Amino acid sequence: GAVVSQHPSRVICKSGTSVKIECRSLDFQATTMFWYRQFPKQSLMLMATSNEGSKATYEQGVEKDKFLINHASLTLSTLTVTSAHPEDSSFYICSARGLDEQETQYFGPGTRLLVL
Amino acid sequence: GQNIDQPTEMTATEGAIVQINCTYQTSGFNGLFWYQQHAGEAPTFLSYNVLDGLEEKGRFSSFLSRSKGYSYLLLKELQMKDSASYLCVLMDSNYQLIWGAGTKLIIKP
Repeated sequence: GAVVSQHPSRVICKSGTSVKIECRSLDFQATTMFWYRQFPKQSLMLMATSNEGSKATYEQGVEKDKFLINHASLTLSTLTVTSAHPEDSSFYICSARGLDEQETQYFGPGTRLLVL
Repeated sequence: GQNIDQPTEMTATEGAIVQINCTYQTSGFNGLFWYQQHAGEAPTFLSYNVLDGLEEKGRFSSFLSRSKGYSYLLLKELQMKDSASYLCVLMDSNYQLIWGAGTKLIIKP
């Protein structure tokens, strides 16, 4: 199956700093990438959907100025958590999908963010 | 290395019971999740097992055997809305998620 990678796998940062998380599709072109946030033992919460070359679509309640998403190429999307605070500590997971809406989403391994 | 295997597709009848199996190989283990995903939607958390045994939650149950690297999701009293993909997801020793490819479950009347 298709492979999606995320980098870094875990990051610890100080409050007020910004953190960038990369999501890459390694062996296929991802027209659409999704960013999720997961709290312990809860469902993945969709934060935003990004299509290559256009602005991301954010879910209600997600601050677009705080969670900056860039999908500059068909194999790379980045999520930047700006001015991170302890409440932003979470598990961030990306997924990637090809052109067709009915195609499978392939998920990345996740990035664990801890803000001190 | 790490690997997860689950059937690509299964078909069952409304009102019946279906068991979706998942086998895995990993050097480190911090639990196994099952998610349900309808086409075009985000995955929904169903269960989390970290100890051996059966966890029951309504119509859904999940079983884990760490020594055998085996889990299953049991769905009872199937309803048409249960038609979806079911994802077996392993959390390794570094708390990274390894996703199975998913089992597409088709429910027939």
